[in-house]
Amino acid sequence: DAKTTQPNSMESNEEEPVHLPCNHSTISGTDYIHWYRQLPSQGPEYVIHGLTSNVNNRMASLAIAEDRKSSTLILHRATLRDAAVYYCIPAISGYSTLTFGKGTMLLVSP
Amino acid sequence: DTGVSQDPRHKITKRGQNVTFRCDPISEHNRLYWYRQTLGQGPEFLTYFQNEAQLEKSRLLSDRFSAERPKGSFSTLEIQRTEQGDSAMYLCASSRRTLSGLPDTQYFGPGTRLTVL
Repeated sequence: DAKTTQPNSMESNEEEPVHLPCNHSTISGTDYIHWYRQLPSQGPEYVIHGLTSNVNNRMASLAIAEDRKSSTLILHRATLRDAAVYYCIPAISGYSTLTFGKGTMLLVSP
Repeated sequence: DTGVSQDPRHKITKRGQNVTFRCDPISEHNRLYWYRQTLGQGPEFLTYFQNEAQLEKSRLLSDRFSAERPKGSFSTLEIQRTEQGDSAMYLCASSRRTLSGLPDTQYFGPGTRLTVL
């Protein structure tokens, strides 16, 4: 499994953009980059995934470095509901197991 | 979809007792996973099923743990002779295998919190 490095925690103000970084320098060419988040007292939920190109969905954007050794999850306007632990997970396409690290705890202030 | 459900949500037991947890996946999801999460850590993979077949088990899954998925629908996770170290949140997830080779999205349940006294 590719190793990931994420900040332990980050802080943001409500309605401001948030950029959550992840280093995955040992990622293989076939690994997708997944992001999940876990709100307090809930199971993780899928946020977004990508392979090489930047990706957008209704929840967030994912910017992937050209060398794929790092990626950034972008929340365009943080809300209080976005306060959660965010996990960056490289995973081989078609392979099911997710290997979670400790993630980044995002704190959002009003 | 009604989501992944888990029962019970909380379980308190005494050391040495057996416990069983149930997971009901999203209907028509053919893959089902069990994870364990301790305080301050991310979830750790335990085992996963494709339909009724248990395809992978983590080394974390000692012989006191057993999981089943009869008929490829709901799943149960049993822990025999519980130990205090088994205290954790047990999470279940399900997904639909994609034939295109793209990664499948896992949908997690709310978890069962086990406390072993």
